[in-house]
Amino acid sequence: GAGVSQSPSNKVTEKGKDVELRCDPISGHTALYWYRQRLGQGLEFLIYFQGNSAPDKSGLPSDRFSAERTGESVSTLTIQRTQQEDSAVYLCASSLVGTGGGGYTFGSGTRLTVV
Amino acid sequence: GENVEQHPSTLSVQEGDSAVIKCTYSDSASNYFPWYKQELGKGPQLIIDIRSNVGEKKDQRIAVTLNKTAKHFSLHITETQPEDSAVYFCAASKRQEKLTFGTGTRLTIIP
Repeated sequence: GAGVSQSPSNKVTEKGKDVELRCDPISGHTALYWYRQRLGQGLEFLIYFQGNSAPDKSGLPSDRFSAERTGESVSTLTIQRTQQEDSAVYLCASSLVGTGGGGYTFGSGTRLTVV
Repeated sequence: GENVEQHPSTLSVQEGDSAVIKCTYSDSASNYFPWYKQELGKGPQLIIDIRSNVGEKKDQRIAVTLNKTAKHFSLHITETQPEDSAVYFCAASKRQEKLTFGTGTRLTIIP
């Protein structure tokens, strides 16, 4: 596609429920990144995919968070048993090469609200 | 790992004046330094970047300078306009690693 697409754009869920966030990167971009942005804060790294593998998932906050990527394309970020502190905007980005040496293209994010 | 500090956290300037945002990084091996602009409700957008073999780069009203010895880099916006109002993030990385972002600067242009 023309850009990075994320869905849903907004998600309100009850505490304790599971949620799944989706990211469609730019076609041909081998690298894909998930970041979390709390209200008024900076970008917190969660996980990085190179192709379908995840060489760096050091930013996942707990075992409630997981992510996968299939077909070197779509990625899903799953949060199990959501907590109020999970409320944030979840941003996905992709880049042509698997390094930070090239600019990322970000999606518009999924705003997650846990009530 | 890399640590990036960004200052100031908020900045207000009169329309037409210049704005400067500064970042420092900790890992001397970092060699790529992009700047992103984030408007309300949108994802960050790359506006300019610089690599460690260059000291300065300019694109119209935007320029970035890099001091490798001091491990700091700055974003300069001249002749500011209302549409420059946004949150700006600096970042740093080295090859094969993820970007580490600064905490952001909320820039407000006063008409």
